[in-house]
Amino acid sequence: GQNIDQPTEMTATEGAIVQINCTYQTSGFNGLFWYQQHAGEAPTFLSYNVLDGLEEKGRFSSFLSRSKGYSYLLLKELQMKDSASYLCAVKDSNYQLIWGAGTKLIIKP
Amino acid sequence: IAGITQAPTSQILAAGRRMTLRCTQDMRHNAMYWYRQDLGLGLRLIHYSNTAGTTGKGEVPDGYSVSRANTDDFPLTLASAVPSQTSVYFCASSVASGANVLTFGAGSRLTVL
Repeated sequence: GQNIDQPTEMTATEGAIVQINCTYQTSGFNGLFWYQQHAGEAPTFLSYNVLDGLEEKGRFSSFLSRSKGYSYLLLKELQMKDSASYLCAVKDSNYQLIWGAGTKLIIKP
Repeated sequence: IAGITQAPTSQILAAGRRMTLRCTQDMRHNAMYWYRQDLGLGLRLIHYSNTAGTTGKGEVPDGYSVSRANTDDFPLTLASAVPSQTSVYFCASSVASGANVLTFGAGSRLTVL
């Protein structure tokens, strides 16, 4: 079966750096996505990786290793507004999105 | 403001009742999707539509139906609600099927008693 694994919850301190990991086992691969979802709100797109390596976008970076079935989302200079759930999703060989359950990130002052 | 509008925001429903969740987008996106989100699980695709006039089944279609009469609207109907359909429902759209970015609506929280 297809599977996306990410930690259920993480805690970090304001101003620090946090890395949220995602491992996947899917039938084929056509890209990996990270979405941010604040409590009670809609998910919003953060990043897309289809080739190995690091994609940087401001304070957020996303890394992909296709051979390891692994990605991480790196958040720098954490702010209180970064408290949210972070969803990892993979597009499989049928171009269907498979979603992880999300990682709830708690930022403490 | 361009985006997706879902209604109702929240609803409590008796089991056995019929319910339609509405979804309207003003971005002229071709593809639209309905997902459900349950605690501890990833988003699960219920139904999708690649273009007006066509629909397809997702991962968990049983008990749900959709229609796509035009580009903007994509309602989701529960013919006879059951408690296991208690969930948060998200409508989403993308420029085209297979496009990389989904835009989500704010969600509809449905409780079936």
